[in-house]
Amino acid sequence: NAGVTQTPKFQVLKTGQSMTLQCAQDMNHEYMSWYRQDPGMGLRLIHYSVGAGITDQGEVPNGYNVSRSTTEDFPLRLLSAAPSQTSVYFCASSQHGTSTDTQYFGPGTRLTVL
Amino acid sequence: KNQVEQSPQSLIILEGKNCTLQCNYTVSPFSNLRWYKQDTGRGPVSLTIMTFSENTKSNGRYTATLDADTKQSSLHITASQLSDSASYICVVSRLRAGNMLTFGGGTRLMVKP
Repeated sequence: NAGVTQTPKFQVLKTGQSMTLQCAQDMNHEYMSWYRQDPGMGLRLIHYSVGAGITDQGEVPNGYNVSRSTTEDFPLRLLSAAPSQTSVYFCASSQHGTSTDTQYFGPGTRLTVL
Repeated sequence: KNQVEQSPQSLIILEGKNCTLQCNYTVSPFSNLRWYKQDTGRGPVSLTIMTFSENTKSNGRYTATLDADTKQSSLHITASQLSDSASYICVVSRLRAGNMLTFGGGTRLMVKP
């Protein structure tokens, strides 16, 4: 199993550009989520999905869209990049999304918005 | 407000020494508390998970404790190794679907030879 994979590892955007961060898992997990990690702060939840076709907002959803057309993939779209979105983005998955499930994290995407 | 505070923010120790990291939380309703290890440039990896009824759990040289009454947890690392250099993140889970996890800011540990 590859676990949770993310692409790209690094990305530089100009303000106003759009892009999609890719996330895939091969563990047949129902629950997938996106976090951002900023210096000195804990990870914050952007969006999550409890299964194919179902998504919901997390703590900091503004400026981001998600979709879940398959169990495996959970892309994160930046609609119009802003410098405040400069961060490291982590995708995570767990079996059912229950409070005791272990979450598996991808390696992260480091995004810089100029 | 649901918060998780960790101390110290950073710590330097010599290889072979022990250390203890602290976590205080105000998250409610409490479901469980996890400790993650995050190597530089990598995603977090789970070390331990403890529910309300558990007050200690070990994973090799890592031992986590939980006092649900005082809402405090600690992570004790025994006989540190250079590979223990990483950030250690305390995460508290609420009894609620979806947006369940509140992350601490982490303690950055550096083990020197």
